[in-house]
Amino acid sequence: EPEVTQTPSHQVTQMGQEVILRCVPISNHLYFYWYRQILGQKVEFLVSFYNNEISEKSEIFDDQFSVERPDGSNFTLKIRSTKLEDSAMYFCASRVMVTDTQYFGPGTRLTVL
Amino acid sequence: EDKVVQSPLSLVVHEGDTVTLNCSYEVTNFRSLLWYKQEKKAPTFLFMLTSSGIEKKSGRLSSILDKKELFSILNITATQTGDSAVYLCAARAGGTSYGKLTFGQGTILTVHP
Repeated sequence: EPEVTQTPSHQVTQMGQEVILRCVPISNHLYFYWYRQILGQKVEFLVSFYNNEISEKSEIFDDQFSVERPDGSNFTLKIRSTKLEDSAMYFCASRVMVTDTQYFGPGTRLTVL
Repeated sequence: EDKVVQSPLSLVVHEGDTVTLNCSYEVTNFRSLLWYKQEKKAPTFLFMLTSSGIEKKSGRLSSILDKKELFSILNITATQTGDSAVYLCAARAGGTSYGKLTFGQGTILTVHP
């Protein structure tokens, strides 16, 4: 069964460093999402991406964040200058056009020191 | 602001018990309600509900939506230790939204042998 995959599973970085989190959505899906979950808190929406552009973003998704689909398979989230409060589990999700069901990847745990 | 509230926050039962998990929502232009099971990492999809009063069923799990009262329930009968997980409810807005999900805080279910 097709799955969303994410790499790395765990990333440790120093405050102020740039990180890139990678996702490979399910191949026939057209809508892509990033969510994050700070330890002990709710899953929060960051951004949605469709037709090679951002379609919706939350107030969390400020100028430090960017997303890209550099080729036909990868979908990336870049954080330009990480802060301590960016430490969280980051989930990628994707869906086809005709359903609301989003399928989630296993997540990348980002730890900012 | 869209809001999803789940109750109870945690539940401890013994194998064989039946549990009911609750989810209420306030979402602009509500479109659908999704249930996910989160074990170690990725939320895995359980149900998507769009119509009131129509029960969705998968084995021992079932769910129903009440769009008038703005809530959904997830029932698990004859619980097993493998049902131990966090159960997440998420609501999807329609209108101009591209599928952003608003999550509740989750119900932690622990099933003892």
